[in-house]
Amino acid sequence: NAGVTQTPKFRVLKTGQSMTLLCAQDMNHEYMYWYRQDPGMGLRLIHYSVGEGTTAKGEVPDGYNVSRLKKQNFLLGLESAAPSQTSVYFCASYSGLINEQFFGPGTRLTVL
Amino acid sequence: GENVEQHPSTLSVQEGDSAVIKCTYSDSASNYFPWYKQELGKRPQLIIDIRSNVGEKKDQRIAVTLNKTAKHFSLHITETQPEDSAVYFCAAGASIDKVIFGPGTSLSVIP
Repeated sequence: NAGVTQTPKFRVLKTGQSMTLLCAQDMNHEYMYWYRQDPGMGLRLIHYSVGEGTTAKGEVPDGYNVSRLKKQNFLLGLESAAPSQTSVYFCASYSGLINEQFFGPGTRLTVL
Repeated sequence: GENVEQHPSTLSVQEGDSAVIKCTYSDSASNYFPWYKQELGKRPQLIIDIRSNVGEKKDQRIAVTLNKTAKHFSLHITETQPEDSAVYFCAAGASIDKVIFGPGTSLSVIP
């Protein structure tokens, strides 16, 4: 039981490059989330999913896209990276039945 | 939209003492109030939450209280231990998908 995993752990991009962050969970949770955390700040929700095949916008969705083709995976894409997207990205999954939320270890992204 | 303020920004307590962190929110429609703990360099953890139909909730040494009239809620940690040292974030919103986070409180427990 790995919980929530994220790949990669670190990435450096140049402005304009694209990349995909992968989140996987093995707890059969319905809900999955992508957050970003900037230095000295709390989390901000980018996009979330309430089930396989569904996605919805969070607080700061601009510049990001997501897909949830399989229940256990939630992908976050940056089509054209900008320096303002330099941040630590956390994925999380949540079970409404037992009210538990677990986070992945984070991905540290730097855009030059 | 929702705005969440959190005080104090830093807090130092002696081991065994209590710690209290207070948050205020602006949107009266918010009815879900989670608290997260984040140790240095680690992932956040949801440690406790409260919904607006409840005034207080306890889980071992931590408790959360909610005053909907005044739009504030607080985290109370009793008998603090060094492993309680972390940044604590409050959040408020209509549901877990809609919460806005506060800026965090850095708690240091001095042995």
